[in-house]
Amino acid sequence: GAGVSQSPSNKVTEKGKDVELRCDPISGHTALYWYRQSLGQGLEFLIYFQGNSAPDKSGLPSDRFSAERTGGSVSTLTIQRTQQEDSAVYLCASSVRMGRGGNEQFFGPGTRLTVL
Amino acid sequence: GENVEQHPSTLSVQEGDSAVIKCTYSDSASNYFPWYKQELGKRPQLIIDIRSNVGEKKDQRIAVTLNKTAKHFSLHITETQPEDSAVYFCAAAGMGGSYIPTFGRGTSLIVHP
Repeated sequence: GAGVSQSPSNKVTEKGKDVELRCDPISGHTALYWYRQSLGQGLEFLIYFQGNSAPDKSGLPSDRFSAERTGGSVSTLTIQRTQQEDSAVYLCASSVRMGRGGNEQFFGPGTRLTVL
Repeated sequence: GENVEQHPSTLSVQEGDSAVIKCTYSDSASNYFPWYKQELGKRPQLIIDIRSNVGEKKDQRIAVTLNKTAKHFSLHITETQPEDSAVYFCAAAGMGGSYIPTFGRGTSLIVHP
């Protein structure tokens, strides 16, 4: 079946503009995660959803970042008033569920965001 | 917060040699330890994982070992091939009541033909 998809694959924007990144998880996966990966760096956790609920938003870098998920499926990550330091690859992942024992995360191809 | 340390950051080996990547974690509540491989320009993909009730797990040329007492786990790749060249990430989950994996900073493995 189809894997995790993300759009757009690349986004170039001007400083101060808002951007919206989209993630389509694998059908039936209840857990969804957003990560940020800067050049040559590891995976910085941003936020996760269990269903439509995001219990912990403390990973978001600033109040310019927000995310939502509707219908237990598609999620959008919005960055307002973008700054150059927001430039990175934004990765989305989904898993069957969250819970004790862990579950394999399936990653999307990422959105490469460049803020000029 | 929780922390996962990964070493080395870069590892260069000759084809056919073995490669070992080591990770440590700080919270004894962690119970799930996946390893992901990310080839250049591609998405991370799970290659092997281990749970806290197991000390070692093998899958062909790849093996992972876990020492819960010392709170460290390692990835072993034998008979390395050029296609093993990638960035490898370790992660630990189940820490402090949270099941979100915390990732190490990654190891860039280069296998020279």
